[in-house]
Amino acid sequence: GESVGLHLPTLSVQEGDNSIINCAYSNSASDYFIWYKQESGKGPQFIIDIRSNMDKRQGQRVTVLLNKTVKHLSLQIAATQPGDSAVYFCAETEQGAQKLVFGQGTRLTINP
Amino acid sequence: EAQVTQNPRYLITVTGKKLTVTCSQNMNHEYMSWYRQDPGLGLRQIYYSMNVEVTDKGDVPEGYKVSRKEKRNFPLILESPSPNQTSLYFCASSLSSGSLIRSYEQYFGPGTRLTVT
Repeated sequence: GESVGLHLPTLSVQEGDNSIINCAYSNSASDYFIWYKQESGKGPQFIIDIRSNMDKRQGQRVTVLLNKTVKHLSLQIAATQPGDSAVYFCAETEQGAQKLVFGQGTRLTINP
Repeated sequence: EAQVTQNPRYLITVTGKKLTVTCSQNMNHEYMSWYRQDPGLGLRQIYYSMNVEVTDKGDVPEGYKVSRKEKRNFPLILESPSPNQTSLYFCASSLSSGSLIRSYEQYFGPGTRLTVT
């Protein structure tokens, strides 16, 4: 069936380095994608979103890239900080749908 | 402060004893949803509600009930809990317009960790 998944379940980076978290999706009808951050003991928190008519969107220290050809999106975090340690989820939906489909999540660990 | 609240945050119960997890939001959101989070399975939707008195099944609705009598509240009911319902549960809300979720930015509650023995 249609699913959203992640390439890697864990990722460790040095503080100050850039990190890239990847996500693959299989629903070609998906036209809206979101990245969420979940810190330990908390609910997921919205980070950034992107629509299918775009291939890049930037926020504060974060950039989301969307490659519709290969059904892949990524979250880039610049100059990672200890507070970036969390599990990151991608989610997708399509216009008219009434739910988000979440990937399994990638745990990002920032090493000092 | 705009927020989604859930109660209780932690609950240990026994098989078959009915329980209710409450969810409330103060943002006047139309759309509300319940998810369960299990290791390796991510977030899976249980039920959702587009507005008052409008609810529908998500991906894993078996063993759960919901109600939406007021816009701000969306309780999750387990009539006869079983051990396979041991999980971390999240309530979420967002704006919506008709059948289209106008804003996909869902605000999540802090979670309820449920253990059924």
